[in-house]
Amino acid sequence: QVQLVQSGAEVKQPGASVMVSCKASGYIFSDYYIHWVRQAPGQGLEWLGWINLNDGAPRYAQKFHGRVTMTGDRSITTASMELSSLRSDDTAVYYCARGSGTVVPAPVARFQSWGQGTLVTVSS
Amino acid sequence: QAVVTQEPSLTVSPGGTVTLTCGSSAGVVTSGHLPYWFQQRPGQAPRTLIYETFNKHSWVPARFSGSFLGGKVALTLSGAQPEDEADYYCLLHYGGDWVFGGGTKLTVL
Repeated sequence: QVQLVQSGAEVKQPGASVMVSCKASGYIFSDYYIHWVRQAPGQGLEWLGWINLNDGAPRYAQKFHGRVTMTGDRSITTASMELSSLRSDDTAVYYCARGSGTVVPAPVARFQSWGQGTLVTVSS
Repeated sequence: QAVVTQEPSLTVSPGGTVTLTCGSSAGVVTSGHLPYWFQQRPGQAPRTLIYETFNKHSWVPARFSGSFLGGKVALTLSGAQPEDEADYYCLLHYGGDWVFGGGTKLTVL
């Protein structure tokens, strides 16, 4: 079955960078997009962007342009999201979620499978 | 970037019916926005209920349904159960980008 397993919680200082990874299994890694979504404590969901794991092309939400980098490593079926210049309001649970197909559209798959979430705390 | 709006909170009686809506500051919500609905319980990851306006995953109870309503997209819960108490989020697609609504806290009381 499809599984997305994320890396563990992180505590970072303001101004630092954090990388969250998302290990995929149970399907052909490059056949699907991965989205990244975050949720600040007590707040709603916020979409950060996606990466096409077939060609490596990312698309970032405008708010995060210049601060976020999404990558994928086919050899270890792992997608990663790096957020730089961290601020206290970046404190959140970060989720990866499988998207639609990269070659053949698969709307039923989009956002069907989620990682367990990674808490990133930004504090001095 | 468009703003996606939802009711902040709603209350429904057990066995009752409630409709949650999702609107866009950019205008009428259409099928082109590929509307999604998610349910999220405390401490859990979101779970997809409805994808592309009407479609339900196999695990979604029949009491949930998606539709268009007055220029918005809607999630209707008919016959609310205590376990339906949760936060509900809609998600809309804008030419490659996705935007979540602010969420609706649904209380079953």
